[in-house]
Amino acid sequence: SQTIHQWPATLVQPVGSPLSLECTVEGTSNPNLYWYRQAAGRGLQLLFYSVGIGQISSEVPQNLSASRPQDRQFILSSKKLLLSDSGFYLCAWNSQGKETQYFGPGTRLLVL
Amino acid sequence: RKEVEQDPGPFNVPEGATVAFNCTYSNSASQSFFWYRQDCRKEPKLLMSVYSSGNEDGRFTAQLNRASQYISLLIRDSKLSDSATYLCVVKDPSGGYQKVTFGTGTKLQVIP
Repeated sequence: SQTIHQWPATLVQPVGSPLSLECTVEGTSNPNLYWYRQAAGRGLQLLFYSVGIGQISSEVPQNLSASRPQDRQFILSSKKLLLSDSGFYLCAWNSQGKETQYFGPGTRLLVL
Repeated sequence: RKEVEQDPGPFNVPEGATVAFNCTYSNSASQSFFWYRQDCRKEPKLLMSVYSSGNEDGRFTAQLNRASQYISLLIRDSKLSDSATYLCVVKDPSGGYQKVTFGTGTKLQVIP
């Protein structure tokens, strides 16, 4: 069966510090991968998605970036965090050609 | 108008009650619809897809009204464990198979 992992689970970072969140999927190959952010009291906002290694599509302009160095690994990064980057970051995957997405447990980020 | 709109609630209902949520969508070309459930501080999990003819899964019934552009979720015989936020998800017809839009969710609280 497929599983999706995210780490860390929680993170408290000062403004201006770098960020690296990691997501890995097991039990499938060539998945579509997604990064979402859910701010307090708000809906899920799609940040990035990837259909293959090295292929990244960005949905919103921001100071975040994403990379997919391996088929089942998706990384969200920032060089300098802003207060507004605080939120619940969720990684998701689905199979190519399928619409249903499955989420990892998320990383709760607090920028102070 | 937002792409996907939901009443945020909360809907406070007694155990055993029947409760229904609606979700409206703006793009009449949308083809695929889903309901996800999100527990507090957890990741969203797929509850059910919504089929054109309507579909049922145990105590849960999902329906689609294309003419009025909304989907609904009916929960019968509410349990305490049904307390959660219910997210409506609509496939973006212009975004390829990768993109879906999440509503901000409707919060349900089932009271003993």
